[in-house]
Amino acid sequence: KAGVTQTPRYLIKTRGQQVTLSCSPISGHRSVSWYQQTPGQGLQFLFEYFSETQRNKGNFPGRFSGRQFSNSRSEMNVSTLELGDSALYLCASSLPGLAGMYNEQFFGPGTRLTVL
Amino acid sequence: GENVEQHPSTLSVQEGDSAVIKCTYSDSASNYFPWYKQELGKRPQLIIDIRSNVGEKKDQRIAVTLNKTAKHFSLHITETQPEDSAVYFCAAFFTGGGNKLTFGTGTQLKVEL
Repeated sequence: KAGVTQTPRYLIKTRGQQVTLSCSPISGHRSVSWYQQTPGQGLQFLFEYFSETQRNKGNFPGRFSGRQFSNSRSEMNVSTLELGDSALYLCASSLPGLAGMYNEQFFGPGTRLTVL
Repeated sequence: GENVEQHPSTLSVQEGDSAVIKCTYSDSASNYFPWYKQELGKRPQLIIDIRSNVGEKKDQRIAVTLNKTAKHFSLHITETQPEDSAVYFCAAFFTGGGNKLTFGTGTQLKVEL
């Protein structure tokens, strides 16, 4: 079974631009979560999508948005890029589960975004 | 709000020694605690996890302990080897909805020969 894939793997943008990152989950997984990883901050939760609906959202400004398609693929968008947005963006997919129960998340390789 | 604190941020041990990483969490309703290992340039990989109805879990050289009263959990690696060198993240699942994990800030473990 293929793992979680993310495209592109590397991206260089300048301040003020916008960027779209893509994540393809493991086949059959309907939940996709996004995390931002920066040195010293660990992984910070951005949002989770399940069945095309945002189910959970972290403490990030509205410049960060996402969506999920009917095939469970997900995209995240960052508008008006700032230097501080430079980070590794990881997505993770999981099977749907019972409310209140955790299902293991499988991470993709990440997209390394550099904002100049 | 939901918070996970992790200590130490860096840890250096000699090969063969033990390593211990500690985490505390804020929400007593948390019921699942995974540990991830991330090697340089690679994705985080789940290495061990524990649910709130268990106090300890072991898998070969790796063990995790959970103290629900004190709201802390620890990762123990025995007989460390150079390939254990990586960044380790603890995390907690808060049952507030969805499949969200809250991570600690990571521990850079270096195993020296």
